Amino acid sequence: NAGVTQTPKFQVLKTGQSMTLQCAQDMNHNSMYWYRQDPGMGLRLIYYSASEGTTDKGEVPNGYNVSRLNKREFSLRLESAAPSQTSVYFCASTDGTGNTGELFFGEGSRLTVL
Amino acid sequence: EDQVTQSPEALRLQEGESSSLNCSYTVSGLRGLFWYRQDPGKGPEFLFTLYSAGEEKEKERLKATLTKKESFLHITAPKPEDSATYLCAVQGTDSWGKLQFGAGTQVVVTP
Repeated sequence: NAGVTQTPKFQVLKTGQSMTLQCAQDMNHNSMYWYRQDPGMGLRLIYYSASEGTTDKGEVPNGYNVSRLNKREFSLRLESAAPSQTSVYFCASTDGTGNTGELFFGEGSRLTVL
Repeated sequence: EDQVTQSPEALRLQEGESSSLNCSYTVSGLRGLFWYRQDPGKGPEFLFTLYSAGEEKEKERLKATLTKKESFLHITAPKPEDSATYLCAVQGTDSWGKLQFGAGTQVVVTP
């Protein structure tokens, strides 16, 4: 029962470097999401994909790009990392039918930008 | 814009000492209100969905209730394993697929 798998779990970058966070789910879910979590601010939506082939901006999309590679995989790319992007990133998925809001989350990717 | 405010920010309980967490929300039309549990270093785990005022859901020592402006998560006779951060989120009728999360309440239950 893998559920939602994120890689890497930890990453340290220097300002200006780029990297991609990978996410894969094995539950045949239609919708996938990327959130960031910062102390005192809760989870904030970066991008989401309602279904394979579609992506939309969330609350804090600036500085990020996403790719819905196929139904299973949804990646998040930082083209030029900034210290403000130091955060814990969570990928989530849901079957999307009925719009239940019951999200299944990965264990997170902890990113530090120096 | 959907907004969610949780209180208190942190709560320290003795084992067996019941208490309640509050989630106040503003949303143009409520599609659903959700409670999640998050353990340190882990992703949030879904607990409950509430759809309309007056609805209640229970799971072990947890009971969630909903009014038109707020939700409560009651923890009855908590045990140390109930220690976690509890997150509340809402989904508005015009926010398909997008949840607005509160900052959470960190609960510590001591033996």
